[in-house]
Amino acid sequence: EAGVTQFPSHSVIEKGQTVTLRCDPISGHDNLYWYRRVMGKEIKFLLHFVKESKQDESGMPNNRFLAERTGGTYSTLKVQPAELEDSGVYFCASSHLNLLDNEQFFGPGTRLTVL
Amino acid sequence: RKEVEQDPGPFNVPEGATVAFNCTYSNSASQSFFWYRQDCRKEPKLLMSVYSSGNEDGRFTAQLNRASQYISLLIRDSKLSDSATYLCVVNPNTNAGKSTFGDGTTLTVKP
Repeated sequence: EAGVTQFPSHSVIEKGQTVTLRCDPISGHDNLYWYRRVMGKEIKFLLHFVKESKQDESGMPNNRFLAERTGGTYSTLKVQPAELEDSGVYFCASSHLNLLDNEQFFGPGTRLTVL
Repeated sequence: RKEVEQDPGPFNVPEGATVAFNCTYSNSASQSFFWYRQDCRKEPKLLMSVYSSGNEDGRFTAQLNRASQYISLLIRDSKLSDSATYLCVVNPNTNAGKSTFGDGTTLTVKP
């Protein structure tokens, strides 16, 4: 079974530019999560999709961040315009809706550097 | 105060040692608890879920004390391959929902 994949693995952009991160969850996983780890800090929740619907977006830092999951399959996270403090590793995770099998599987992350 | 706090570490132990990690959480409504392992520059991977009755998986034992809002992980007979960062993770729901992570405790097992 293929795991969670993320693209790109690394992105270096300048302040003010736009970047779009992509996450492909494990096939059949209705839950999809975005997390972020800023250097020196803990991994923090950004938002949670159930299929195509945003279940919880309480962790989104501001309106420069836009997440979508059209069709309930892959998801994108767009940062526009990027700021220096957006640098970090962005992880995507997915899980079943099944109560008995809710382990979150993480992707390898996208390392974003904003210069 | 952070929602999930872990031993600051790092822990440096010889092979064969027993090491224990501690974690406390502030949200008394939390429902599910996990230990994840993260290798350098890799993604977190589930090590084990933590139940009130305690659970054991080989050399690893996890305990949960809801009254004290405390979680522990014990590793016996440490191996070199156990070197990693161990993340304490707490969820508010039994099913899905956001995970709240601790900062992680780094373990280095030396020959």
